[in-house]
Amino acid sequence: SQQGEEDPQALSIQEGENATMNCSYKTSINNLQWYRQNSGRGLVHLILIRSNEREKHSGRLRVTLDTSKKSSSLLITASRAADTASYFCATDPGGYQKVTFGTGTKLQVIP
Amino acid sequence: GAGVSQSPRYKVAKRGQDVALRCDPISGHVSLFWYQQALGQGPEFLTYFQNEAQLDKSGLPSDRFFAERPEGSVSTLKIQRTQQEDSAVYLCASSLRSGNEKLFFGSGTQLSVL
Repeated sequence: SQQGEEDPQALSIQEGENATMNCSYKTSINNLQWYRQNSGRGLVHLILIRSNEREKHSGRLRVTLDTSKKSSSLLITASRAADTASYFCATDPGGYQKVTFGTGTKLQVIP
Repeated sequence: GAGVSQSPRYKVAKRGQDVALRCDPISGHVSLFWYQQALGQGPEFLTYFQNEAQLDKSGLPSDRFFAERPEGSVSTLKIQRTQQEDSAVYLCASSLRSGNEKLFFGSGTQLSVL
């Protein structure tokens, strides 16, 4: 079963616009991660935010985490056509426990 | 190696056949995960190893699925008596340690059961 649920399921924007994706999860976490997947194959890690952090930046990416609401958001600023991909959040409960993925947001950036 | 390697990239099996999917994690990585991804869905957890110990196999769909990592490096996911619903991409991921670590994914094995 999926631990997280992304919203929206699909998003289409023009190049240069910002894209925001949201993730809600169910149980307590040690950290939350965001991944990108092109063409339905291997996932690439984007950013990890720990449960005691509220916001994190990496290049054009900004992630927020609200553990009281069990939610996270990923903002991609100044989007490019190359950002077209599916984006997944993943929750890590910590210790020797499994990392589980959400349902994903399919982002299309139109040149 | 430079990254996580999975083989084969594509596998076509007739219903009822047994298949074996291989994962070579990044050298030295302690944790290894297997995921199943159906078309248009997120990866679904199958099983998790820490070195050679299988610490969680709660995601394996049935007793037809079996995974091993005997020497704490290469892992094999075996599916016996394949069925059409087993058709999916099987992803392997590894991380240096357990907890607070990003996962490195292979390109996956796309399994089609006819």
